[in-house]
Amino acid sequence: DTAVSQTPKYLVTQMGNDKSIKCEQNLGHDTMYWYKQDSKKFLKIMFSYNNKELIINETVPNRFSPKSPDKAHLNLHINSLELGDSAVYFCASSPNFDNSPLHFGNGTRLTVT
Amino acid sequence: DQQVKQNSPSLSVQEGRISILNCDYTNSMFDYFLWYKKYPAEGPTFLISISSIKDKNEDGRFTVFLNKSAKHLSLHIVPSQPGDSAVYFCAATHSGSARQLTFGSGTQLTVLP
Repeated sequence: DTAVSQTPKYLVTQMGNDKSIKCEQNLGHDTMYWYKQDSKKFLKIMFSYNNKELIINETVPNRFSPKSPDKAHLNLHINSLELGDSAVYFCASSPNFDNSPLHFGNGTRLTVT
Repeated sequence: DQQVKQNSPSLSVQEGRISILNCDYTNSMFDYFLWYKKYPAEGPTFLISISSIKDKNEDGRFTVFLNKSAKHLSLHIVPSQPGDSAVYFCAATHSGSARQLTFGSGTQLTVLP
């Protein structure tokens, strides 16, 4: 009964490959996010969707493309993976676009070799 | 330019004593602050928040203090318990930011039995 689940937990791949990370929330929330935790441990927002509509699109290479087929899912597709993409990616959700706290998934550790 | 800073990467405290985790911010537009706790291999979980109209918010053993003039907030945990050992992230946002949380780099708290 995990609230925000993301798969896979670990992803090891080679440079140049294309990969996807899936995220699903069963909380009935309207808003979903992707955050990246870099090597310095900072969590930085990448994207946010509200009711399947893109709201936040931070300065992220266009090799990263989010897809929200419905408001319970927000997947992240990454093309032409680079070494610098290695990080932990966290999906999160919140009831809507207010100050309610985010609920995070357990993260996907991506390693690009 | 890190707008939210947690200058202590780690803190060790004896069980039963008070833990004080500190956070500084530079953006005077921030008006809502949150603390998240993170265990290894899990996503951050919401702990406590405070609006800029308050200077203190308390929830059980956890109290957050906000000093707007100093652009400083702190999280007090008393009494500290071994289960509190985790990484604590400070985060901030402002109205109209489309819920764009800015996170600090975290402080690893270790509560010694």
